[in-house]
Amino acid sequence: SAVISQKPSRDICQRGTSLTIQCQVDSQVTMMFWYRQQPGQSLTLIATANQGSEATYESGFVIDKFPISRPNLTFSTLTVSNMSPEDSSIYLCSVGKGDGGSEQYFGPGTRLTVT
Amino acid sequence: SQQGEEDPQALSIQEGENATMNCSYKTSINNLQWYRQNSGRGLVHLILIRSNEREKHSGRLRVTLDTSKKSSSLLITASRAADTASYFCATNVGGFKTIFGAGTRLFVKA
Repeated sequence: SAVISQKPSRDICQRGTSLTIQCQVDSQVTMMFWYRQQPGQSLTLIATANQGSEATYESGFVIDKFPISRPNLTFSTLTVSNMSPEDSSIYLCSVGKGDGGSEQYFGPGTRLTVT
Repeated sequence: SQQGEEDPQALSIQEGENATMNCSYKTSINNLQWYRQNSGRGLVHLILIRSNEREKHSGRLRVTLDTSKKSSSLLITASRAADTASYFCATNVGGFKTIFGAGTRLFVKA
């Protein structure tokens, strides 16, 4: 299994500012995923981040709002830009098990509150 | 709309009782997974059942899959207070993309 850490674990931010969330994996992985979980809701996939290429965004999410970096096979960042209170959520990164299409390992999440 | 819909939305039982959660989905799948989430933390993978499987067991967990009805159920037997969490089904439709259901919030009273 993969061990995933995220920083920060939580933050309170002012409207209009940006926050960058880091995700570190203890092994090399091809694909990393970023999810948003709004309070009391399920997970929504924001984007898939492949090393060496542009992230692939899901419908409703755009690069200008959620830029993603993937500089190597163990690390990724997600930035939440120009934040509003509606961005208050838990942001989770995950990686897939190596055989494709199966289970995912999740980081502990970053709890973001925008005031 | 989401691929997976779960019911009930919330479930409260006594310790020792069994808990059953159901998940329905809309399109053909490669596999279906169940995850647990404690208090808004990261998700933990519980079990995966492939589209050609009908039932799978792991410890106190039993998962069934009915592809003709596009539904799955998760049974937790002899529940414990530590089982209190949110449970999500997730469907894989190809590649790595996984779509999560709305979740069932389980509360086990000691």
